[in-house]
Amino acid sequence: AQRVTQPEKLLSVFKGAPVELKCNYSYSGSPELFWYVQYSRQRLQLLLRHISRESIKGFTADLNKGETSFHLKKPFAQEEDSAMYYCALSKAAGNKLTFGGGTRVLVKP
Amino acid sequence: NAGVMQNPRHLVRRRGQEARLRCSPMKGHSHVYWYRQLPEEGLKFMVYLQKENIIDESGMPKERFSAEFPKEGPSILRIQQVVRGDSAAYFCASSPTDGNTIYFGEGSWLTVV
Repeated sequence: AQRVTQPEKLLSVFKGAPVELKCNYSYSGSPELFWYVQYSRQRLQLLLRHISRESIKGFTADLNKGETSFHLKKPFAQEEDSAMYYCALSKAAGNKLTFGGGTRVLVKP
Repeated sequence: NAGVMQNPRHLVRRRGQEARLRCSPMKGHSHVYWYRQLPEEGLKFMVYLQKENIIDESGMPKERFSAEFPKEGPSILRIQQVVRGDSAAYFCASSPTDGNTIYFGEGSWLTVV
């Protein structure tokens, strides 16, 4: 069975500080990994896909197959980064996503 | 492309009534997914549908919940005899046939009073 774990429910950082959101997964095959962001009462938006290897809004995430992790990082947090962040896994194209429990990020001025 | 459209955005139902949530996928998308987000919790997969077919309903409660995606028209998530515990945000998502990027709607917030 596939599972995604986000150990931190809440991360509170000051503006300009680095932020790292942890994500660990369990899956027997080669999954697709994603990070989604949800601003207050809005739709989930795709932030990153591991296969695209790009940086969005200053965020990066590296897939570590040995540690089965896909941590999300940003070197300098901004107040507008305050949101819920979800790590998700998909096992195949067009397949359902399994989400972690989410991490709420609060960036303080 | 208007994106994934969900309606109603907010729905209030009394216990025992029925709730119907509608989802129109993005143009050209034939895969629809429903997720539920309970207060202070993450998203939980409910059901995955293609046109006229339920592909995976492993996350659907066994009773009172049903979903369909007819040949014409939106996908419908139906909850019969609602209870307070059904109060949640219900998100629909869609993806194209040959891709795995899933796009979400803005959600429908159900409140059962």
